[in-house]
Amino acid sequence: SQTIHQWPATLVQPVGSPLSLECTVEGTSNPNLYWYRQAAGRGLQLLFYSVGIGQISSEVPQNLSASRPQDRQFILSSKKLLLSDSGFYLCAWSVTGANVLTFGAGSRLTVL
Amino acid sequence: GDSVTQMEGPVTLSEEAFLTINCTYTATGYPSLFWYVQYPGEGLQLLLKATKADDKGSNKGFEATYRKETTSFHLEKGSVQVSDSAVYFCALGIQGAQKLVFGQGTRLTINP
Repeated sequence: SQTIHQWPATLVQPVGSPLSLECTVEGTSNPNLYWYRQAAGRGLQLLFYSVGIGQISSEVPQNLSASRPQDRQFILSSKKLLLSDSGFYLCAWSVTGANVLTFGAGSRLTVL
Repeated sequence: GDSVTQMEGPVTLSEEAFLTINCTYTATGYPSLFWYVQYPGEGLQLLLKATKADDKGSNKGFEATYRKETTSFHLEKGSVQVSDSAVYFCALGIQGAQKLVFGQGTRLTINP
C-alpha cells in the first residue's frame, strides 16, 4: 500500500533563517507531488506541484522554492523565512492523470 | 479561472441535527468534484467524490450530488455526531490539469 511521510511535524524558526520540509511517498512510482499551505483562518493554497523528477510548477510567486531530487521525494525550501511564511504545510500525491489527492499529516511552521 | 466557493463558517450544530455545507464552483471544463475533511491537527482525507453531472458521492453518512445546472456540490448529512467536528473542504479537479482547486474550508463544530 502507498504511504506518504512528511517531516518535521512541527518547526519554530526565527525570521531570516532557512527552511527545509521533506516529503516522501512509498509504494508507488512516478506520482504527481504537491505542496499546499494552509494559513491560519484561511483556505488551502497550492504552492508547487511536480509531475516528474526535476519538473516543478510554481503557482504563486513567493519566498519559497521546491525541488524533486528523486522520483518520490519532494522538498520545500526557503533561504530566508518571513513572518508571513508561518502556516500549516501539506504535502500530497496523486496517480498521474488522476485528481484524487492523498495528503500527509502536515508540518506546522511558526516563524518568530 | 477555476474556483470554488464554500459557505462561510464556522458552523455550530447540536448532535443529531441536519447538516448542509454549500459549495459552488466555476470551471471552464468538466470538473470532478470532491469533499475533503480535516480533523484537528491532521492532514486532509478524501470524504467523497463525484466525477460527472448527477453523480452522488457518499461516505460515512455524508452525501453530495453533482449539480451541473446550478454548479453546486453541497455536502449533507442527516444526523451529525460530535466526531464529525472538523474542517470540510470542497474541491474541483479539471481532467488533465493535474491539480485540485480548493475552497476556503468550513469549520464544523458539533456540540453534544
